[in-house]
Amino acid sequence: GAVVSQHPSWVICKSGTSVKIECRSLDFQATTMFWYRQFPKQSLMLMATSNEGSKATYEQGVEKDKFLINHASLTLSTLTVTSAHPEDSSFYICSAPLRLYNEQFFGPGTRLTVL
Amino acid sequence: GESVGLHLPTLSVQEGDNSIINCAYSNSASDYFIWYKQESGKGPQFIIDIRSNMDKRQGQRVTVLLNKTVKHLSLQIAATQPGDSAVYFCAENYGGSQGNLIFGKGTKLSVKP
Repeated sequence: GAVVSQHPSWVICKSGTSVKIECRSLDFQATTMFWYRQFPKQSLMLMATSNEGSKATYEQGVEKDKFLINHASLTLSTLTVTSAHPEDSSFYICSAPLRLYNEQFFGPGTRLTVL
Repeated sequence: GESVGLHLPTLSVQEGDNSIINCAYSNSASDYFIWYKQESGKGPQFIIDIRSNMDKRQGQRVTVLLNKTVKHLSLQIAATQPGDSAVYFCAENYGGSQGNLIFGKGTKLSVKP
């Protein structure tokens, strides 16, 4: 199956700093990638849809100026949490669908802890 | 709003028994459904999917049943093994595109040896 990687797998930062999370499709090209957030013992919530070469589409309630998404190539999307605060601490997961299929392949996730 | 819910938040089964995890969805326009397995600290792993023009699909040790009349989805795991212990999520896609997955709340499956 297709492989999606994320980097870093975990990060701890101070409040007010920015953190960048990378999502890569390793063996396929993805014109679309998705970013999810998952709080402990809760389900995945879609944050935004990342589109290669164009602006991301954000879900209602997600601040686009706080969660900056860049999809500069067909294999890489980045999520930058700007001016992070403790309430941004969460598990961030990306996914990418294979072309022609609806199946989404998920990355291993990035655990963000903001002190 | 639209949501995908689960009847059982936790399920404990004996190794070797069959497991059934249920899910109710609310959007009758959803046309694609997926079951994911998520182990602690990891991303979701695809298990099996089914489209709305089917009512049953089988994989290796897993079967998904779809009842559109009552908007119900279930995942059956045969001969449950300790490695099956995880949280299972159902997800629905009503957008017609490759995205717009709505995830259910999840069921934690614990397999007792």
